Amino acid sequence: QVQLVESGGGVVQPGRSLRLSCVASGFSFSPYGMHWVRQAPGKGLEWVAVIWYDGSDKYHADSVKGRFTISRDNSKSTLYLQMNSLRVEDTAVYYCARAIYSNGWYPDYWGQGTLVTVSS
Amino acid sequence: SYVLTQPPSVSVAPGQTARITCGGNNIETKSVNWYQQKPGQAPVLVVYDDSDRPSGIPERFSGSNSGNTATLTINRVAAGDEADYYCQVWDSSSDHVVFGGGTKLTVL
Repeated sequence: QVQLVESGGGVVQPGRSLRLSCVASGFSFSPYGMHWVRQAPGKGLEWVAVIWYDGSDKYHADSVKGRFTISRDNSKSTLYLQMNSLRVEDTAVYYCARAIYSNGWYPDYWGQGTLVTVSS
Repeated sequence: SYVLTQPPSVSVAPGQTARITCGGNNIETKSVNWYQQKPGQAPVLVVYDDSDRPSGIPERFSGSNSGNTATLTINRVAAGDEADYYCQVWDSSSDHVVFGGGTKLTVL
């Protein structure tokens, strides 16, 4: 069955960097786009970024553009999120999700998430 | 940017029908997806492409989309349906995913 396992979360000071990983299994990773979605404590879902199946195209939410970068390594079935210049408001659970296309790219399967806490 | 509006909360008695709305400008031209999220868990897709159900999702869950409003309908609501529900679309003008603010479904 589809499995997505995120890692790399933790406590980090404002202004520092962190890289999240998401390892996929149970399906062929390379034909699928992938998303990162986050959820601040007690808040709703916020989309972060999407990457095309081959990495040829990627889009980021305005709130993270220029600071976060989504990437992937199809040979390792792994998705990444490089997060630089972290802010307190980036504190959230970060989910990776597989992307399916139907009149747009939408998440179907989600990982269990990894918590990022930005605090001094 | 495209905005989706959901009521913060909906309450319904067990066995009754719950309807959760998602408003957006001319939303009928977009494919709407719905997610269920229980406390401490990851979201689960319950309806995609306006009205289709992934395998394993009960037939009690259905969706519709017309005009400026999409609706998730849950028939014969049970205590286990208590959760937050989010609608979602793809904004093709910006190539961004958009989520509604979420609706907390309470089973009385």
